[in-house]
Amino acid sequence: QVQIVQSGAEVKKPGASVKVSCQTSGYTFTGFAIHWLRQAPGQTLEWMGWVTGGKGDTKYSQRFQGRVTMTRDTSATTAYMELSSLTSEDTAVYFCARDGGRDILPFWGQGSLVTVSS
Amino acid sequence: DIQMTQSPSSLSASIGDRVTITCRASQAIKNYLAWFQQKPGKAPKSLIYAASSLHSGVPSRFSGSGSGTDFTLTISGLQPEDFATYYCQQYNSYPLTFGGGTKVEIE
Repeated sequence: QVQIVQSGAEVKKPGASVKVSCQTSGYTFTGFAIHWLRQAPGQTLEWMGWVTGGKGDTKYSQRFQGRVTMTRDTSATTAYMELSSLTSEDTAVYFCARDGGRDILPFWGQGSLVTVSS
Repeated sequence: DIQMTQSPSSLSASIGDRVTITCRASQAIKNYLAWFQQKPGKAPKSLIYAASSLHSGVPSRFSGSGSGTDFTLTISGLQPEDFATYYCQQYNSYPLTFGGGTKVEIE
């Protein structure tokens, strides 16, 4: 069965960067994209982009273009999301989700809390 | 960006009630609409895709309908485990966008 485990909580200072990992198992990693989303406290979900498991192609939301980098390591069946120039508005739970075809999101990681505070 | 508007933002209901949540897209999205359930401190759980198709393992009391701009999620016979926040999401075009959520509470 598909399993997705994300890295733990992080506390960062404003201006820093954070890198969150998303370790997967139970399927052919190179066959599916991994999406990244976030949810600020008490807010709805916000889509950030995806990285393909095969070629590592990426598509980012314009809102994060220039500040986000999504990568993957096929040997480790792990995807990564790095967000730079953090501000307090980036405080959120960050989720990765495996694509189920045509941007359907059936499988999710448990979430990684990122807190940005001076 | 396509804006997704859910209503109501919250509702109170009793066990066994029939509950309907609506979701409106700011432009036509065919049937590229998904519904998620989220409980506090947990990741969203995917319930429905393509507006009306249930994911494997989702109870049949959940159903979805609609196309174009107007969609509904119905829970027929609310169960204790259904008290949660529900989100709609469009995947017709990028960026993927979500509604503001509907919190279903115990009456």
